[in-house]
Amino acid sequence: DQQVKQNSPSLSVQEGRISILNCDYTNSMFDYFLWYKKYPAEGPTFLISISSIKDKNEDGRFTVFLNKSAKHLSLHIVPSQPGDSAVYFCAASYGAGSYQLTFGKGTKLSVIP
Amino acid sequence: NAGVTQTPKFRILKIGQSMTLQCTQDMNHNYMYWYRQDPGMGLKLIYYSVGAGITDKGEVPNGYNVSRSTTEDFPLRLELAAPSQTSVYFCASRIDTEAFFGQGTRLTVV
Repeated sequence: DQQVKQNSPSLSVQEGRISILNCDYTNSMFDYFLWYKKYPAEGPTFLISISSIKDKNEDGRFTVFLNKSAKHLSLHIVPSQPGDSAVYFCAASYGAGSYQLTFGKGTKLSVIP
Repeated sequence: NAGVTQTPKFRILKIGQSMTLQCTQDMNHNYMYWYRQDPGMGLKLIYYSVGAGITDKGEVPNGYNVSRSTTEDFPLRLELAAPSQTSVYFCASRIDTEAFFGQGTRLTVV
């Protein structure tokens, strides 16, 4: 049973517009969430995270929103750039220091110039 | 600073063969992990280690073994390769909140 779900396998966005990637989770014990970006033939790289005590975290063009009641988080990229084209993974853990990260299946973002 | 280094990058194995995927990190991280990623799927945890001499099973440990004799190294052993182990394998190390991943090993078992 998937505990972290990314229901959109792919997303296409025009350069300069907003990209919104969604993630749902089922386990209410999760209290720390991360987004990773992965280019082909490379390992995932950390992008941004959020603790369950917050509902928003920003880092430059990237903002993550957390809705605990809906068990939903989203990653906003504004403005989208062609270099943002990659697979984005949502991950969750029981606390920031937890040993285990549970990953979603990923969403492939294509930013069209 | 090399980060997390995995070798080899690619390997083709015959059914029943054995091999070791190497992973080393130079960041002095206590936590290390092995994940596999099948096509269209997320990363699934095979084994993890919270420090030298301590390892434990993750979500999909069957067919694999690990050891952690030093903080830096965390090799993954496949004893009897099976086609179901065809996958991309990622090693990662972690401190606090962020995990750092290696570039991956693409393994094909034929």
